[in-house]
Amino acid sequence: DAKTTQPTSMDCAEGRAANLPCNHSTISGNEYVYWYRQIHSQGPQYIIHGLKNNETNEMASLIITEDRKSSTLILPHATLRDTAVYYCIVRVNAGNMLTFGGGTRLMVKP
Amino acid sequence: DGGITQSPKYLFRKEGQNVTLSCEQNLNHDAMYWYRQDPGQGLRLIYYSQIVNDFQKGDIAEGYSVSREKKESFPLTVTSAQKNPTAFYLCASSQRGTANTGELFFGEGSRLTVL
Repeated sequence: DAKTTQPTSMDCAEGRAANLPCNHSTISGNEYVYWYRQIHSQGPQYIIHGLKNNETNEMASLIITEDRKSSTLILPHATLRDTAVYYCIVRVNAGNMLTFGGGTRLMVKP
Repeated sequence: DGGITQSPKYLFRKEGQNVTLSCEQNLNHDAMYWYRQDPGQGLRLIYYSQIVNDFQKGDIAEGYSVSREKKESFPLTVTSAQKNPTAFYLCASSQRGTANTGELFFGEGSRLTVL
């Protein structure tokens, strides 16, 4: 699986959009981009995933660049409960193993 | 409700003792996983199982053992051979085959402390 690079930490004001970047410059054509988040001392929670096209669900939007070497997770209106570590992972869909790196610690502030 | 149940949530162990962490799921998932997380770090894969009676080592399997006798259960034993077992342990499951979206479902974790 391709490796990912994320900033260690980010701050966001409550009610504003949180834009979390992820670099995956070695991604191959059949690898998906997944995002999970982990609230302190809980198990990670799936957020969204995509291959080429931008994706949106009730939690977030995923914007993948045309060359697929980077992506951005967007939380449109961040709340205090969105404070968590966000993991960006790339993975071949045929396999089941996910490798979690260090992630980005997002702090949403009032 | 469907989900993954890990027990115990907190566990204390003396050095030299083996301990078994329980993981049960009622999601009818074929695949199950064990991850370890140290403070401030990401998750590292210990063992995984794609099907009953079969399992594979992950990145940090030394000092751990697992069994998969039933589809819904995937217990992890932390043996005395594990040099630094104090950590947060997470169990997960997923579907296989065409139904697989890559989504892992995680339990709430078990925090093991070796005294």
